[in-house]
Amino acid sequence: GAGVSQSPRYKVAKRGQDVALRCDPISGHVSLFWYQQALGQGPEFLTYFQNEAQLDKSGLPSDRFFAERPEGSVSTLKIQRTQQEDSAVYLCASSLASGASVGEQYFGPGTRLTVT
Amino acid sequence: DAKTTQPNSMESNEEEPVHLPCNHSTISGTDYIHWYRQLPSQGPEYVIHGLTSNVNNRMASLAIAEDRKSSTLILHRATLRDAAVYYCIREANAGGTSYGKLTFGQGTILTVHP
Repeated sequence: GAGVSQSPRYKVAKRGQDVALRCDPISGHVSLFWYQQALGQGPEFLTYFQNEAQLDKSGLPSDRFFAERPEGSVSTLKIQRTQQEDSAVYLCASSLASGASVGEQYFGPGTRLTVT
Repeated sequence: DAKTTQPNSMESNEEEPVHLPCNHSTISGTDYIHWYRQLPSQGPEYVIHGLTSNVNNRMASLAIAEDRKSSTLILHRATLRDAAVYYCIREANAGGTSYGKLTFGQGTILTVHP
């Protein structure tokens, strides 16, 4: 079966442009997470969805970051007015379960965003 | 702080066992310990997780100290494909429920020599 897919795999944006990053989780997975990984660092949590509900957005670095999952499957992470410090790999992960420790999270390959 | 403490790097020889240590001295009784690994240009890959008892699966074993302040990931026979960054992650589980938010640290870079 297909794993988590993300598109595009690479994105170059000029400073000030808006970008949209897409995540297709594994079918039927309830939980969906977005993480940001700067070069040489571990991933940092951005936000969490349980089906279509965004239950935690505490990791979003500013109000320029917005995520949605309107039908409880595909999710989009949008970054408005990109800045150079937004350059990173954006990872999406999904998990079948929700509630008490969701266990294994399946990560996508990530989208590498470079802001010039 | 929810992050764990791991050595920056370790080395091993192929087909030898590898013991990757992790300290989580501030762990609470309901926090899970997860291990993920990440190969270059890939997303993290789940390895194993546990709460109190030692755990085994096809990839590795997880040994959790009796006081739960530390744990060790054991790769029984390292292969070249095991070379990766290994993350020990404490999943905060306050109130008995958690949705799986993972707090990654810097991880341990494992080098496997042929």
